[in-house]
Amino acid sequence: DAGITQSPRHKVTETGTPVTLRCHQTENHRYMYWYRQDPGHGLRLIHYSYGVKDTDKGEVSDGYSVSRSKTEDFLLTLESATSSQTSVYFCAISVGGVTTNEKLFFGSGTQLSVL
Amino acid sequence: QQQVKQSPQSLIVQKGGISIINCAYENTAFDYFPWYQQFPGKGPALLIAIRPDVSEKKEGRFTISFNKSAKQFSLHIMDSQPGDSATYFCAAPLTYSGGGADGLTFGKGTHLIIQP
Repeated sequence: DAGITQSPRHKVTETGTPVTLRCHQTENHRYMYWYRQDPGHGLRLIHYSYGVKDTDKGEVSDGYSVSRSKTEDFLLTLESATSSQTSVYFCAISVGGVTTNEKLFFGSGTQLSVL
Repeated sequence: QQQVKQSPQSLIVQKGGISIINCAYENTAFDYFPWYQQFPGKGPALLIAIRPDVSEKKEGRFTISFNKSAKQFSLHIMDSQPGDSATYFCAAPLTYSGGGADGLTFGKGTHLIIQP
């Protein structure tokens, strides 16, 4: 998992509370992604970023927001957590290929439980 | 709407056997087909990938077979070992309008168990 640090690794929170997950990279990559992983659903893209302050929605963005004020940090916020957001959240960076979006390198994930 | 459909959901293979996982896609504009491997408690890691200009790519015991006309690609693990026990995901590039960042869309995963 060199180059990507996700924090916290585990979090338990209550329904209705705000939660922020952090992804930090040390290699100055332009493209960063947030995915969630759930049994039976695989990995689904929540939001992605293509530069500082440049972000866009993915497949399952409802209930989530993101921010990227520095190249190295990509934050995922659950404004008001719900039980359906209990999941494992992965941050990824694009490490290049023929086009820049292809080879993704994933962090170790954050296990989030919303009670 | 799932853009890549993966099967089977789970698979048990004896040590030394061949593990085969299949993936079907709809979008003929896809031009890159990777497989990711994930061990418990870890993030997915790129295992092997193929482009549609070739029908097969081999890296060690891992082979991707690609059938463009059928819009299918599969992962073959030869001489399967207990250490290959993991979850495997097929994927293809997403296409969005903004910034060219795209990312990947993933299948639902196959839980592979190699029995000693």
